[in-house]
Formats: sequence, structure tokens, C-alpha cells
Amino acid sequence: EVQLVESGGVVVQPGGSLRLSCAASGFTFDDYAMHWVRQAPGKGLEWVSLISWDGGSTYYADSVKGRFTISRDNSKNSLYLQMNSLRAEDTALYYCAKDMGDIVVVPAANTHRTYGMDVWGQGTTVTVSS
Amino acid sequence: VIWMTQSPSLLSASTGDRVTISCRMSQGISSYLAWYQQKPGKAPELLIYAASTLQSGVPSRFSGSGSGTDFTLTISCLQSEDFATYYCQQYYSFPQGFGGGTKVEIK
Repeated sequence: EVQLVESGGVVVQPGGSLRLSCAASGFTFDDYAMHWVRQAPGKGLEWVSLISWDGGSTYYADSVKGRFTISRDNSKNSLYLQMNSLRAEDTALYYCAKDMGDIVVVPAANTHRTYGMDVWGQGTTVTVSS
Repeated sequence: VIWMTQSPSLLSASTGDRVTISCRMSQGISSYLAWYQQKPGKAPELLIYAASTLQSGVPSRFSGSGSGTDFTLTISCLQSEDFATYYCQQYYSFPQGFGGGTKVEIK
């Protein structure tokens, strides 16, 4: 069974740090790019970050750039999100999600695309509060 | 950054209705768009990718269309299990993004 299980969500004070983990099983982990997506309470989905199959390319939403770092350990089938300088607005349910492929170049547009997210975990909750 | 406008934000409908949800981009994204369904307390699920390709296992009453800047998700005959929130997502360029969501509720 293809599965993603997130962990590491806790209550943390503003300015604090946290590392989320996502354990993958049931598929060849290092064949796919991986995402983090978050959802604030009662709000919509917000894309946070993506990492390529080998960890060589990473992308971030402007709202977390410079504060969050995505990484992966293919030997452990695991994805991570290091979150620093946390703010109240980072309070959310954090999902990891598997892409259906890896990053590819769109030559005509000089951009990079992926394929969409076909597997999602159940999420881990991060609360930033004093 | 590509801005996404999803409409309506709330849609009241009855079982058996045909419903359409729109997603408009601030610039062209070819067909690199996905649709997801999310039920309360659950993770999102992929319905459609590449604008019109149905994900395996998704009922055929769901369909997607469009390319460039304008996209549509259609549910041809709304079933009770379809009452949920729907999101579009562009994966054409970074940062990727989601539309604001459309909640389909019982009329």
C-alpha cells in the first residue's frame, strides 16, 4: 500500500524551530519529487515547498523562503521540513505529498514544472503560540 | 507568480445536479492543472491532472476541461459523496499554487 505518514507537529513558541518528517512506503521513493503543503485552520491549501528526486533542486513559497528548508534521505525513504523563525501565521496542518514525477523543464516558457500530487499523508499539526 | 481565481467559493446544489467550477490563471499554463477533492477532516485527493485526465479510480461523472488560462471542473450528476471542497492547482511553474477552493454544499 502506498502510504505517507507525517510526524513532528507540536506547539512551539514564536521564533522557535521545528522539524517535520514524512515516512514513505509502498513506492520507489527516489523516483519522485516530494512536496509539503499546508492548511491553516478553516482555510484553503497553500503550497509550501518541493524537492527533486535526488534533493538537488528545491523550491519554496515566498511566505517561507529563507526560514524553511526541505530535505530528503532516500536511504530512509523520508522527507523533512526544517522550520525556523516560526510565526503565528505558520500555524497549520502540514501535509507531505508525492508528485507523479520529477521536475522537468518547459523549454518554450523557460520554466520548470511537475506532474501533480497523487498521494497525500494525513498531516501533522503545527501550532505557533506563546 | 501566477495568480489563481477559483469560482464560485460556495456552490449550493442538489443531488443529481450538474455543477461546474471555474479556475482562471493570471497567465497561460498550457494544461498543467490538477483538481483535488477534500472532505472535512481528510487529506485532499487527486481527481484530475493535465487539465482533463481522470485519475485512476475517480468516477466518470467528474471531468475537466480547458487550457491556457481558463479551466473547468464539471460534475455531471452530483452524488451525496461529492459534497466536499474542491481545489485547482497549477504545477506549471514555481511557486506552485492552489485556487481558493469551492465548497459544494447541499441545497
